[in-house]
Amino acid sequence: AQSVTQLGSHVSVSEGALVLLRCNYSSSVPPYLFWYVQYPNQGLQLLLKYTSAATLVKGINGFEAEFKKSETSFHLTKPSAHMSDAAEYFCAVSGDTGFQKLVFGTGTRLLVSP
Amino acid sequence: DVKVTQSSRYLVKRTGEKVFLECVQDMDHENMFWYRQDPGLGLRLIYFSYDVKMKEKGDIPEGYSVSREKKERFSLILESASTNQTSMYLCASRNRNHQETQYFGPGTRLLVL
Repeated sequence: AQSVTQLGSHVSVSEGALVLLRCNYSSSVPPYLFWYVQYPNQGLQLLLKYTSAATLVKGINGFEAEFKKSETSFHLTKPSAHMSDAAEYFCAVSGDTGFQKLVFGTGTRLLVSP
Repeated sequence: DVKVTQSSRYLVKRTGEKVFLECVQDMDHENMFWYRQDPGLGLRLIYFSYDVKMKEKGDIPEGYSVSREKKERFSLILESASTNQTSMYLCASRNRNHQETQYFGPGTRLLVL
């Protein structure tokens, strides 16, 4: 069965600092991987996704993620945090047999201080 | 612009009441999903539908049922609401290809007293 582990339920950074949110996955087949963002009192919005093309994926709002098969990781990064990046971030994996549902991690809340 | 709408943003119900949560998408998507979101647990799949009149149990279907009579509408039903069903409920839709993005509604925050 597929699973996703997000290390750190909360990550705090200063404005302008590097953002690194960690995601490790487990999948018995080549995975499709997604990062979603949830702003307060809103639904989830896609940031980026990996679907077996380039291993470095660029998304919206300056975020990017790199698929590393050897490390089973798909960490999310942004070179310089902005106050508006404060939100909850979810990593998800799809691609197993059957209907291929999305399996979500437990989320990481990003806090950005001035 | 793609759109998934949910009938209520906030809902307060009494224990034992029957509760209907409605979700409508305007993207002609085949697949639709209901999740609940709880702190520290992420999103957990309750039910999904891969086409009209089709439904499948997700990971936590107990206490819930669903209905999909039309392609654009997917309803979640709490037959007899209980306090442990207090949660945020999120609806999503997707094209049939699993590489495709799931689009989410704004969520319904349900409080069961």
